[in-house]
Amino acid sequence: EVQLVESGGGLVKPGRSLRLSCTASGFTFGDYAMSWFRQAPGKGLEWVGFIRSKAYGGTTEYAASVKGRFTISRDDSKSIAYLQMNSLKTEDTAVYYCTRVLYYYDSSGYYGGYWGQGTLVTVSS
Amino acid sequence: QSALTQPASVSGSPGQSITISCTGTSSDVGGYNYVSWYQQHPGKAPKLMIYDVSNRPSGVSNRFSGSKSGNTASLTISGLQAEDEADYYCSSYTSSSGVFGGGTKLTVL
Repeated sequence: EVQLVESGGGLVKPGRSLRLSCTASGFTFGDYAMSWFRQAPGKGLEWVGFIRSKAYGGTTEYAASVKGRFTISRDDSKSIAYLQMNSLKTEDTAVYYCTRVLYYYDSSGYYGGYWGQGTLVTVSS
Repeated sequence: QSALTQPASVSGSPGQSITISCTGTSSDVGGYNYVSWYQQHPGKAPKLMIYDVSNRPSGVSNRFSGSKSGNTASLTISGLQAEDEADYYCSSYTSSSGVFGGGTKLTVL
């Protein structure tokens, strides 16, 4: 069974940094693209970005709203995906979800096939 | 303002069929067959219901179907059931990015 567990959320001041982790189990982590989505309180979903599997170069793509501030990485040996968030803004306050694509041959993570339960990040002074 | 336009709410009675529209442009919905639909119950994580316009992931009921015509994608739920009451979001690929609709609240009367 595919399981994704996010951690690392919490309260952080504007301008500071935070790193989220997504611990995966139930599948061969290194074979799949992994994505991050977010949802501000009471609002809709937003795609944040993704990282391809090593087979597809391990490259990343980001939404314009986070490009240059957020970095997605992966440690295939630990089955963990990371979301490093720098220069946080109040508008980054949201529940952050980690997702996996459905198939190993899906080289891009613009959709979420399997979802974690999410972790709340609150950016406030 | 969301990139894709969905009705704020739709409703239907048990057993009926409803359709939720998702209107974009030729740069997103109309330009690629990469439309997906998500169901989200209150306080829960979203669940993928449809991907690549009309494909259902394993385990999703065949009461859910997707289609696209021009710049508008649609999610149809047939044989409406009480547990279908939820928020539904459409999403599309667009030039190295993903865009969402604002969401539609489905009420089962």
